[in-house]
Amino acid sequence: AQKITQTQPGMFVQEKEAVTLDCTYDTSDQSYGLFWYKQPSSGEMIFLIYQGSYDEQNATEGRYSLNFQKARKSANLVISASQLGDSAMYFCAMRGANAGGTSYGKLTFGQGTILTVHP
Amino acid sequence: DAGITQSPRHKVTETGTPVTLRCHQTENHRYMYWYRQDPGHGLRLIHYSYGVKDTDKGEVSDGYSVSRSKTEDFLLTLESATSSQTSVYFCAIKGSLHPNTGELFFGEGSRLTVL
Repeated sequence: AQKITQTQPGMFVQEKEAVTLDCTYDTSDQSYGLFWYKQPSSGEMIFLIYQGSYDEQNATEGRYSLNFQKARKSANLVISASQLGDSAMYFCAMRGANAGGTSYGKLTFGQGTILTVHP
Repeated sequence: DAGITQSPRHKVTETGTPVTLRCHQTENHRYMYWYRQDPGHGLRLIHYSYGVKDTDKGEVSDGYSVSRSKTEDFLLTLESATSSQTSVYFCAIKGSLHPNTGELFFGEGSRLTVL
């Protein structure tokens, strides 16, 4: 079984500054994937970034980067140069593998972190 | 746009009544999922499907059933709704844009209130 923990219920950041959203995970799988999603107040779920467990480089997508520390089982999201439109709920999620080596693509989500960007 | 449509988007019902939520996709995706979102819990998997008539339980399947009689439709049924099933329900499909990534694309959500 997989478990995702997001320990920051809420975070505040000043516009144009960087912010790190924490995510730790627990799994016994050798192969897994880590995801971050954004949910604005409008409610839709937006995929941001992905990191594979065997990827040696940290994933980056524009202003988003994933700080992957495998030994610590952490997958923190870093948002650089925050914008007012970054205010949203952010979810960390994980895809593992069943005993048979398949996962059917299922994701396990953390509780989420609400990010507020101040002007 | 992953072509996912959920209906109804909003529903208010009474305890004990049956409710069916529909998820429709237009791009022939094999894998489909139903999640519920509740404060403090994030999104939790209810049921998922890996093909027509192939479904399995997720983390919080009690009180829910699903059916997938054709590729494009995945139905979630609450046989007898309870107040604890008040939630926002999301349908998702496993995308094929990045095969090695396998990110899920979500519908817009269906807000269900059980009085």
